[in-house]
Amino acid sequence: QVQLQESGPGLVRPSETLSLTCTVSGGSISVYHWSWIRQSPGRGLEWIGYTYHSGSTNYNPSLKSRVTISVDTPKNQFSLKLSSVTAADTAVYYCARTRVGWETVYFFDYWGQGAQVTVSS
Amino acid sequence: EIVLTQSPGTLSLSPGERATLSCRASQSVSNNHLAWYQQKPGQAPRLLIYGVSTRATGIPDRFSGSGSGTDFTLTISRPEPEDFAVYFCQHYDYSPSFGQGTRLDIK
Repeated sequence: QVQLQESGPGLVRPSETLSLTCTVSGGSISVYHWSWIRQSPGRGLEWIGYTYHSGSTNYNPSLKSRVTISVDTPKNQFSLKLSSVTAADTAVYYCARTRVGWETVYFFDYWGQGAQVTVSS
Repeated sequence: EIVLTQSPGTLSLSPGERATLSCRASQSVSNNHLAWYQQKPGQAPRLLIYGVSTRATGIPDRFSGSGSGTDFTLTISRPEPEDFAVYFCQHYDYSPSFGQGTRLDIK
């Protein structure tokens, strides 16, 4: 059974960079695509982007200028960096295994439990 | 970009009473590119249905999905107490989007 676990600071100051890591257990990260998704009361569920073990990525155009997703295959981890954060980036951040075909994101079949990140001074 | 609109916002039913949840797309959805998720308080969403009507692993057969074009439906034939939760639809895309959710409440 694949399990995912998010980790990282729960509080980030405005204008700084949000950094989270997702550790995958029960399966190899080298087989599927892996996404970050966030959820807030005002914006609902919002897909941020995905990575593949090759290092290829695809990002939500609305966040692309501020997002970097990277993969560490030996550690079975992937990470999210979101720069220049504001209060609007306050959300629960989820990592998820992603089914992809022909550069189309299909669906998310395994999710982490989520990490609350608050942007505040 | 396809926008998904779910209705109703909240559905109040008694356990065992058939639940019908709607997801309407702003443009026609091709190739059965729609999924449904269930979310309980404090938990991550859980995949229920993909490809409009295929149940994910371990999902009971009281959950079913249907539809085509712009109109899609998630039906729970006889909801159990554990089925009262929030449900989201999601469109497959280069940059996928989710509906705003329907809350299924116990009456």
